[in-house]
Amino acid sequence: LVLTQSPSASASLGASVKLTCTLSSDYSSFAIAWHQRQPDKGPRYLMRLNSDGAHSRGDGIPDRFSGSSFGADRYLIISSLQSEDEADYYCQTWGTGIVVFGGGTHLTVL
Amino acid sequence: EVQLVESGGGLVQPGRSLRLSCAPSGFKFDDFAMHWVRQAPGKGLEWVSGVSWNSATVAYADSVKGRFTISRDNAKNTLYLQMSRLRTEDTAMYYCAKEDGNDWNSDPFAHWGQGTLVTVSS
Repeated sequence: LVLTQSPSASASLGASVKLTCTLSSDYSSFAIAWHQRQPDKGPRYLMRLNSDGAHSRGDGIPDRFSGSSFGADRYLIISSLQSEDEADYYCQTWGTGIVVFGGGTHLTVL
Repeated sequence: EVQLVESGGGLVQPGRSLRLSCAPSGFKFDDFAMHWVRQAPGKGLEWVSGVSWNSATVAYADSVKGRFTISRDNAKNTLYLQMSRLRTEDTAMYYCAKEDGNDWNSDPFAHWGQGTLVTVSS
């Protein structure tokens, strides 16, 4: 069970960005979660994202953060980018008795 | 408001032991599975260990199996991580995390602590 993320992404202030997390092929139906890790802060849960694209945001997460799915790919879409969105983003999955994180994507807001 | 507060980190020599604690508040502790996750300097998040609400199920990452022990005391509202035979590669920020639902290994981590830093060095 492996989650693959691109190491980095960038987008301009006020624009939108789409980050990708890819599940290994045998686990393409699994749900995932997205977490944000800002500098010097603990991780923050953003949302749960199912294989059908249905997602539920964590407490206090603005609707600028949304998710979608296609096959084994799970996406985090951030719209109206703000400077505080510059952070590391991790996907997580669970089941089969273990928990797995992707390697993380560092998002730079230009 | 859910809060998770870790403690017990510090500087320790290789081969020694250390015990981390996590003090939860704002929710019924004994209803939820709990986990430890770490992040080494310059690296990503790594799941370390988890325990079900009643301690009936525990699980470990291969990197710590046989050296770390997770436990919980529901009467004292505390989660623990006993770390033995520490290695330099165990140096990391250690986070306590709470599963979102009541069943073991069925939900994402909906709440996180701020972390406690463990440095293993001679």
